[in-house]
Amino acid sequence: KNQVEQSPQSLIILEGKNCTLQCNYTVSPFSNLRWYKQDTGRGPVSLTIMTFSENTKSNGRYTATLDADTKQSSLHITASQLSDSASYICVVSAVRSASKIIFGSGTRLSIRP
Amino acid sequence: DAGVIQSPRHEVTEMGQEVTLRCKPISGHNSLFWYRQTMMRGLELLIYFNNNVPIDDSGMPEDRFSAKMPNASFSTLKIQPSEPRDSAVYFCASSFYQLGGTVSYEQYFGPGTRLTVT
Repeated sequence: KNQVEQSPQSLIILEGKNCTLQCNYTVSPFSNLRWYKQDTGRGPVSLTIMTFSENTKSNGRYTATLDADTKQSSLHITASQLSDSASYICVVSAVRSASKIIFGSGTRLSIRP
Repeated sequence: DAGVIQSPRHEVTEMGQEVTLRCKPISGHNSLFWYRQTMMRGLELLIYFNNNVPIDDSGMPEDRFSAKMPNASFSTLKIQPSEPRDSAVYFCASSFYQLGGTVSYEQYFGPGTRLTVT
């Protein structure tokens, strides 16, 4: 069964600290993995997208890693800011299918001043 | 570009009423997706259009839900009759995708419509 599991469900850290969010998936055949940031009351916004051959991709203070062998991905946030408070959603797509998109349940991150 | 436009942003209706949600995708995109998000189930894909044609509607919960895309710049999601369990945030997203091509495309989400059925 195609699944995407994210951990932790929620996380609270102090402003300026780093954090890492985890995503494990069983989607097959794998095509790509995306991390989205969703602010409260807004639609998800893409942070990174990685295909099978990519194992790291950065977008400013966000760095995503992908291990296609172990089917794991992580999203590392460096020097967190209050504006990083949001839900982070891991999304995995299957090959040759635009609609076989499996969403993780998200990690709710809160940054405290 | 204005991005994906959805209307209304909020909708409150009574059980049994018809609800129509609207979406204008980003100009030039040929794929459109309707999603539903709830606290319990997270984001779920309801239906996907490519070049105005419904490709996959396996996520549509039941016959009360229907979606149309009469042209490349407009889509509707209709619920008739609505029920309290339909209360959720409905997102529309668009992208450019070629069937049989690489799937490394980007989806752009609209702001969502928050539906409350009482």
